[in-house]
Amino acid sequence: AQSVAQPEDQVNVAEGNPLTVKCTYSVSGNPYLFWYVQYPNRGLQFLLKYITGDNLVKGSYGFEAEFNKSQTSFHLKKPSALVSDSALYFCAVRDSNSGYALNFGKGTSLLVTP
Amino acid sequence: DAGVIQSPRHEVTEMGQEVTLRCKPISGHNSLFWYRQTMMRGLELLIYFNNNVPIDDSGMPEDRFSAKMPNASFSTLKIQPSEPRDSAVYFCASSFRGLAGVFKSEYEQYFGPGTRLTVT
Repeated sequence: AQSVAQPEDQVNVAEGNPLTVKCTYSVSGNPYLFWYVQYPNRGLQFLLKYITGDNLVKGSYGFEAEFNKSQTSFHLKKPSALVSDSALYFCAVRDSNSGYALNFGKGTSLLVTP
Repeated sequence: DAGVIQSPRHEVTEMGQEVTLRCKPISGHNSLFWYRQTMMRGLELLIYFNNNVPIDDSGMPEDRFSAKMPNASFSTLKIQPSEPRDSAVYFCASSFRGLAGVFKSEYEQYFGPGTRLTVT
């Protein structure tokens, strides 16, 4: 079975400060990990993914995520937050032993204040 | 590419009526997914297809829900009869599934704008 947990319902950060949105996962095989962002009244947009290779993955809009196998985590980070980053962020996992589907977390709402 | 296209964007219907949601995936993608999003339950996978064949429909809530993919460029999600608890935003997503690690964008799902369904 595969699952993903986002322990925070909401993260608040001031503009210009670094941000972190947390994600932990559980899989039986090798994890394929993804981050998506959802703006109001829009579909989810792909940000970045980790399948293999470097543990630090860089994605769209200046976001990056670090894969930590020992802690089974894949936290999303950005060095300097923008007000326009305010949105709902989803972590997702696919187990290499399973089918095609991704298992999404419940989402974390990010609020960046001016 | 226009991305994943869904129609209608909004649907308001009365309880008991049939509702059909439509999706056109990105050209060249061979996997298609239907999701439902609500405040209470978050994002739920309903069903997904690979090469037009349903692979897993375990997320379909009841027999009132059915989905088809008659060809690579079109899919429908039908609810008959509809109930107020079906009110949600329904998303369609598509991706490419090939030989693992060969294609850079493999497994990335691209979502449509969603259909907001309200059943009164």
